[in-house]
Amino acid sequence: DAGITQSPRYKITETGRQVTLMCHQTWSHSYMFWYRQDLGHGLRLIYYSAAADITDKGEVPDGYVVSRSKTENFPLTLESATRSQTSVYFCASSESGQGGYTFGSGTRLTVV
Amino acid sequence: TQLLEQSPQFLSIQEGENLTVYCNSSSVFSSLQWYRQEPGEGPVLLVTVVTGGEVKKLKRLTFQFGDARKDSSLHITAAQPGDTGLYLCAAMDPGTYKYIFGTGTRLKVLA
Repeated sequence: DAGITQSPRYKITETGRQVTLMCHQTWSHSYMFWYRQDLGHGLRLIYYSAAADITDKGEVPDGYVVSRSKTENFPLTLESATRSQTSVYFCASSESGQGGYTFGSGTRLTVV
Repeated sequence: TQLLEQSPQFLSIQEGENLTVYCNSSSVFSSLQWYRQEPGEGPVLLVTVVTGGEVKKLKRLTFQFGDARKDSSLHITAAQPGDTGLYLCAAMDPGTYKYIFGTGTRLKVLA
């Protein structure tokens, strides 16, 4: 199916564990983004990528790692999960990076 | 300091009422987007406005970009329960070239 798919939809993990959130898009958009959404903070950019093998930090990158070996995939890894990383994570893509993003349905991550 | 301030923050209205949501800034934008986010889902792009004074309509939703391209409004006519959600404006910060989202308006339409 065409679109942007995130997996898993829900994840519970323990403090200190590594966890990877997956994002896949079928449009071959150049730009991909990872956001976290928390009450009181709105949407905050974690990392973004302008093309395969090109990534850059956003507003809140600490504790996260990304890679983009293929245009269509942009996984986000929490190296050692902390409770403060409990959040809803959204992946998005865009052809131009100038706005008008397409978002996935999100991953709700709980770190216990 | 939030670059894009939205008001009101929360709005609860009865089905059939009209409402207007505002997105304000002191910066001038080349374009501005509006998104709606339903509970449990990601934001969905509704519209992009580009020209100062531009008005775009999407069924019962009317979007306007301010003449100076510093602000925008979203007017909903005869709101329905399906309009319930979080409405976000967004634009590219002309100073940092970062794409920023507004503070959001959470709308609830009661049947």
